[in-house]
Amino acid sequence: GAGVSQSPSNKVTEKGKDVELRCDPISGHTALYWYRQSLGQGLEFLIYFQGNSAPDKSGLPSDRFSAERTGGSVSTLTIQRTQQEDSAVYLCASSTPGTGPGDTIYFGEGSWLTVV
Amino acid sequence: AQSVAQPEDQVNVAEGNPLTVKCTYSVSGNPYLFWYVQYPNRGLQFLLKYITGDNLVKGSYGFEAEFNKSQTSFHLKKPSALVSDSALYFCAVRGLSDYKLSFGAGTTVTVRA
Repeated sequence: GAGVSQSPSNKVTEKGKDVELRCDPISGHTALYWYRQSLGQGLEFLIYFQGNSAPDKSGLPSDRFSAERTGGSVSTLTIQRTQQEDSAVYLCASSTPGTGPGDTIYFGEGSWLTVV
Repeated sequence: AQSVAQPEDQVNVAEGNPLTVKCTYSVSGNPYLFWYVQYPNRGLQFLLKYITGDNLVKGSYGFEAEFNKSQTSFHLKKPSALVSDSALYFCAVRGLSDYKLSFGAGTTVTVRA
């Protein structure tokens, strides 16, 4: 597709369950980001992948959160033992490094997670 | 550390009137500035960016933004607002050696008919 694709678009899960969120970046984009958007917290950086380099995981809020990127393309964000405070929109984004910090980052529609 | 401030949580304007959404930033070195818009239940959509050059940047849907280095501001403007411009607007900044975008808290724009 033309844009960043995320699935599922909506997920309701019970507290304590694990969830996986998937992101398919724009074709050819080597940089991939995960952000979280929650009420009162704004947009929080979670993790960044760039090519074959080690990811920047500095934004992951706890060890219940992990992410991987296979083959330099699709990424999966996993939340283990979900808590109610994990309820948020998880946004994936991608960009193609070229001009450096001026590169535009393009976002997907988000995965809306509700933990009940 | 880099940061963005959007001093107004909400902006309300009448359709046809000018719209301004304020943004100030803090970053080491030259800033790279972005505006995004989020419509209800949607992801973030890129509007425009400032990298270098002309201080007035034109973007999508008739929006423009003015970079002011001395005031460390990057205000978003539209000469004549439409009801369809009602949305949540985010300003973001990156520094020269950064790959992460730092976002402001967002400003909700409501344009009344």
